[in-house]
Amino acid sequence: DIQMTQSPSSLSAFVGGRVAVTCRASRNIGTYLNWYQHKPGRAPKLLIFAASRLQVGVPSRFSGSASGTAFTLTISSLRPEDFATYYCQQTYITPWAFGQGTNVNI
Amino acid sequence: EVQLVQSGAEVKKPGESLRISCKGSGYSFTNFSIHWVRLTPGKGLEWMGRIYPSDSGTKYSPSFQGRVIISSDKSFTTAYLQCNRLSASDAGIYFCAREQWQAFDSWGQGTLVTVSS
Repeated sequence: DIQMTQSPSSLSAFVGGRVAVTCRASRNIGTYLNWYQHKPGRAPKLLIFAASRLQVGVPSRFSGSASGTAFTLTISSLRPEDFATYYCQQTYITPWAFGQGTNVNI
Repeated sequence: EVQLVQSGAEVKKPGESLRISCKGSGYSFTNFSIHWVRLTPGKGLEWMGRIYPSDSGTKYSPSFQGRVIISSDKSFTTAYLQCNRLSASDAGIYFCAREQWQAFDSWGQGTLVTVSS
């Protein structure tokens, strides 16, 4: 199975700040990498699919990039509603694994 | 508008079985796979498996193979997750999600499952 290692597990940032979350796959997954935002009591929300494609309706301050087996989610200017847990997910091969999550705190 | 609506919270005893439903609307139900994902304190988000309603083809995570059954009823545009031999570690929130372009673009609201003797 492919393992997804996400870092950091948590971080603190200011409103208006820039945040980067990294996810590393245990082997090649091409660009089959998605990012989700999850808030307590809500369903997860798709932000980025295929490593860098912005889901419809997601603000452009969210972006994704890839370099080999390392993937990065960047939030360019944090807004109060962005404080949440973020997960990466590989969909290259089943079982489709998620990273452990990154909790972005104020 | 695409919507996935799940059945309500469940309280189960260890050893019992669980069945959760997920009703899709606002799109062609048979043309998109439905996946099941759970969120637990111990393991975070876990992919459990999926079904393609058009042909009822299923794929399961090895972690749940043999203990989980995913099914669907096209006439009711509803997918189901059955999980057998529950234990305390199965407590968490269970989500269904629609797959598009190998990502989950729409999710159900989640079903809280409690397992306690």
